[in-house]
Amino acid sequence: DTAVSQTPKYLVTQMGNDKSIKCEQNLGHDTMYWYKQDSKKFLKIMFSYNNKELIINETVPNRFSPKSPDKAHLNLHINSLELGDSAVYFCASSQLRDPWGYTFGSGTRLTVV
Amino acid sequence: GQQVMQIPQYQHVQEGEDFTTYCNSSTTLSNIQWYKQRPGGHPVFLIQLVKSGEVKKQKRLTFQFGEAKKNSSLHITATQTTDVGTYFCAGSQGGSEKLVFGKGTKLTVNP
Repeated sequence: DTAVSQTPKYLVTQMGNDKSIKCEQNLGHDTMYWYKQDSKKFLKIMFSYNNKELIINETVPNRFSPKSPDKAHLNLHINSLELGDSAVYFCASSQLRDPWGYTFGSGTRLTVV
Repeated sequence: GQQVMQIPQYQHVQEGEDFTTYCNSSTTLSNIQWYKQRPGGHPVFLIQLVKSGEVKKQKRLTFQFGEAKKNSSLHITATQTTDVGTYFCAGSQGGSEKLVFGKGTKLTVNP
């Protein structure tokens, strides 16, 4: 029944490792997003895909690579993890119809040690 | 680029007191949205405002969109402990679905 689901919920890893976070939505939305929430709770957009096409690519290190195999899935792969990557990563989806608020996943808390 | 400022950053109230958070954008917005994030949770969509001067109510919550479509406010009447959390405003421009979030106002309520 979960509308936007992310896995894993927690991820603890060492510096230099490569990791992936997966996101799936069953709302039939066309647009999906990755947001990063830092320790001060600031939500910053990273990427957005519309129907598998990248439409927003903010200033994010190229160690971060999104992949959207279909419009219901948006994954995030991170290479060579750094301490500063520690944060909560939220996946979200939306559809341009009134109202079109985002539906967020429950988040992935990434801790790099 | 588009910036959305939100004040105050923190607000601590006694249960039963009112609470207001304010949001200002550096650019004219096509719509503004409000979200609530409970401690340890994820942001949850509350409401969307699109019209200049629009006012919407949800029980004890009142949302306003400024005449110039550059500012907004959320007012909670007679706060309850269930209102605890961080309230975010977020705005978008034109026909874009890209939302720029304010930094949020963290509300704590003393019972």
